Amino acid sequence: DAKTTQPTSMDCAEGRAANLPCNHSTISGNEYVYWYRQIHSQGPQYIIHGLKNNETNEMASLIITEDRKSSTLILPHATLRDTAVYYCIVRVSFSGNTGKLIFGQGTTLQVKP
Amino acid sequence: NAGVTQTPKFQVLKTGQSMTLQCAQDMNHEYMSWYRQDPGMGLRLIHYSVGAGITDQGEVPNGYNVSRSTTEDFPLRLLSAAPSQTSVYFCASSYSKSSYNEQFFGPGTRLTVL
Repeated sequence: DAKTTQPTSMDCAEGRAANLPCNHSTISGNEYVYWYRQIHSQGPQYIIHGLKNNETNEMASLIITEDRKSSTLILPHATLRDTAVYYCIVRVSFSGNTGKLIFGQGTTLQVKP
Repeated sequence: NAGVTQTPKFQVLKTGQSMTLQCAQDMNHEYMSWYRQDPGMGLRLIHYSVGAGITDQGEVPNGYNVSRSTTEDFPLRLLSAAPSQTSVYFCASSYSKSSYNEQFFGPGTRLTVL
């Protein structure tokens, strides 16, 4: 699975959009980009995933660059409850893998009032 | 749906004791897995299962056993607890192990081995 690089920490004002970047320059054509978050002491929570098209759901939007070497997770209106560690993960799709999610260090997002 | 449930939430063991961490899901997911999370180590895969009766080892399986007799349940057994097994344990499930499917995590079991 390709490695990812994320900033260690970010701040965001409550009510503003939070834009979390992720670099995955070695991503291959069959690898998906996933975003999870972990709020303190809780289990990781799935947010969104995509292959090459931009995706949107009720939680967030995922913007993937045309060359797929980077992506941005957008939380459109951040609230204090969005304070968490956000993990960008790339996963290969073929069935020979273990299904393991490789969590890096992630980005600690602090939403401030 | 209750999603993925784990019991107990907290557990303290003495070295050498055995116990079973319970995990259940009500989403009819084929794929289930166990991770442990330690400070500075991220989440590491212990064991996983792609369906009832099928289990396999992850990256840190030593000291743990699993079985999958039903689709819903995937218990993790600590055979003889050691202080190195002090950790937070998360169970996860998904429709399959494919990248097409998101994984859902339980709330975790916080285990301390004295």
